[in-house]
Amino acid sequence: DAMVIQNPRYQVTQFGKPVTLSCSQTLNHNVMYWYQQKSSQAPKLLFHYYDKDFNNEADTPDNFQSRRPNTSFCFLDIRSPGLGDAAMYLCATSIGSNEQFFGPGTRLTVL
Amino acid sequence: EDQVTQSPEALRLQEGESSSLNCSYTVSGLRGLFWYRQDPGKGPEFLFTLYSAGEEKEKERLKATLTKKESFLHITAPKPEDSATYLCARSPSNDYKLSFGAGTTVTVRA
Repeated sequence: DAMVIQNPRYQVTQFGKPVTLSCSQTLNHNVMYWYQQKSSQAPKLLFHYYDKDFNNEADTPDNFQSRRPNTSFCFLDIRSPGLGDAAMYLCATSIGSNEQFFGPGTRLTVL
Repeated sequence: EDQVTQSPEALRLQEGESSSLNCSYTVSGLRGLFWYRQDPGKGPEFLFTLYSAGEEKEKERLKATLTKKESFLHITAPKPEDSATYLCARSPSNDYKLSFGAGTTVTVRA
């Protein structure tokens, strides 16, 4: 089945220790998104790639960066995680402006 | 700023007790209104897209409707497996990015 895959599902890191989350898709969608979702809150868009074009949200901290080496893969790098960065990180894909399909998420814990 | 508001925040239903969830937004102009289901610890699962006022979509016990300023998700004769958080999201007419509401958490008791 075509799908969005996120690895790892659970990530534990230490305060200030860089961490990378990965997302891959077999849907061949041209847009890939990264969201942050904290408990009982709406998903918050961090950035997205429309084809190869990177689009950063104005309020996304500089601590967060992303890479999309090819159509299928996208990475979220958190350079120096703080306690406030503990959250569920969701990857989603879409064809243009059509509905977005989400992966299972990566739960990040910062100690 | 585009705000999407969902109500109620939580809904407890008896099995078979039909109810409706509301999603309203402040900015006019709509490209699409999306409904998702999210189970605890998982990513949102796509349910419906609505594009214009008067449009309705159905899937099993769920029916989504759209007016000019709000959308409703009707749950008919719910079962315990319908327990989840239901998220709505809106993309404005001049953008394709989604603005999500905080969700309505539905609990259906047997």
